[in-house]
Amino acid sequence: EDQVTQSPEALRLQEGESSSLNCSYTVSGLRGLFWYRQDPGKGPEFLFTLYSAGEEKEKERLKATLTKKESFLHITAPKPEDSATYLCAVNAGNNRKLIWGLGTSLAVNP
Amino acid sequence: GAGVSQTPSNKVTEKGKYVELRCDPISGHTALYWYRQSLGQGPEFLIYFQGTGAADDSGLPNDRFFAVRPEGSVSTLKIQRTERGDSAVYLCASSPQGEDGYTFGSGTRLTVV
Repeated sequence: EDQVTQSPEALRLQEGESSSLNCSYTVSGLRGLFWYRQDPGKGPEFLFTLYSAGEEKEKERLKATLTKKESFLHITAPKPEDSATYLCAVNAGNNRKLIWGLGTSLAVNP
Repeated sequence: GAGVSQTPSNKVTEKGKYVELRCDPISGHTALYWYRQSLGQGPEFLIYFQGTGAADDSGLPNDRFFAVRPEGSVSTLKIQRTERGDSAVYLCASSPQGEDGYTFGSGTRLTVV
């Protein structure tokens, strides 16, 4: 069965303290891995799509990487406005539905 | 508008009633998706439209749930004989054809009492 597991469930950082979030996946055929950010009361906001092992993408303080088993979302020198839940999802097979992890709730203290 | 619009933002209904949730996607986006999200969970796929047709409705939990997109733009998710277990945030997303990154709306929070 296709599965996505995110860790840790929750992470608290001090402003400027870099860290990484993990998304491990078990799918029959990966067609894309997605990172989204979700603020309370809002829908998920698209961050990145990764398609093949070794691929990396960056946006401001965020960098996403992909291997054959997992993806990391690296947060460099985070700011309080980076506080949110970060969700990982995969697209497997010949359809367009995404399978989602439970998310990592990130809190960045000033 | 520039984003995906969902109405209403909140809906409280009594068990057994019928509800309709509306999604207005970004203009020109041919793909439209419905997901639902319970507290502390990731979104759960319901249905995907490409144009006017449902390309994949495998996530609809049972025959009480139905969705339409008659003109290839606005979509309506319809739930009959609502149950307390239907309470969740219903999210709609859209994307241009061939693109994988969805744009989500803010969702409709459905509470069945």
